[in-house]
Amino acid sequence: DAGVIQSPRHEVTEMGQEVTLRCKPISGHDYLFWYRQTMMRGLELLIYFNNNVPIDDSGMPEDRFSAKMPNASFSTLKIQPSEPRDSAVYFCASRDGTSGSFVGRGGELFFGEGSRLTVL
Amino acid sequence: AQSVTQPDIHITVSEGASLELRCNYSYGATPYLFWYVQSPGQGLQLLLKYFSGDTLVQGIKGFEAEFKRSQSSFNLRKPSVHWSDAAEYFCAVGASYGQNFVFGPGTRLSVLP
Repeated sequence: DAGVIQSPRHEVTEMGQEVTLRCKPISGHDYLFWYRQTMMRGLELLIYFNNNVPIDDSGMPEDRFSAKMPNASFSTLKIQPSEPRDSAVYFCASRDGTSGSFVGRGGELFFGEGSRLTVL
Repeated sequence: AQSVTQPDIHITVSEGASLELRCNYSYGATPYLFWYVQSPGQGLQLLLKYFSGDTLVQGIKGFEAEFKRSQSSFNLRKPSVHWSDAAEYFCAVGASYGQNFVFGPGTRLSVLP
């Protein structure tokens, strides 16, 4: 399996521009997560989906952030307009919630390599 | 809600020395515990996990961790550290219900030659 695939790996943009980050989860995984990593706040869960449906978006910082999952193999995280404080590494992760060794509640999280966003 | 603490922000050890990274969690029910490693510029990779049963868990790259319910701890150990182990290490706890995985702040490991 190719693992979780994220693009772009690096994005540099100017304040006010729209940013779209993309994620392809592992095939067959029914949960998809978006995390943000910063030095100050560590790893923060932004939102997660189950079977393409957003379940918990309480971690999304504000209305400038939105996430979609139009199908089982693709998700986007959009920031519009972007601000310098959005600079961070954004990770996508997926897991199989229906099987695996997680005592019948699915397996562990598999992470992509992240998208490093710099907003000038 | 669960929480995770990793008391050591940065640890430096010499190559060949033993290693122990501390992790303490807070959760009212049976926790599901994980250790992940992150190399610079990379994503997080699972080292090992604990769900139930034997409290000493073996992982990849020669790592092991021991779950101690009485101390609410899940410390990571390695008997002999290699230079390639230099990375950031994250402890995480998963809830019995829902999908809330909570990660600790991480411990950065430096290895001296």
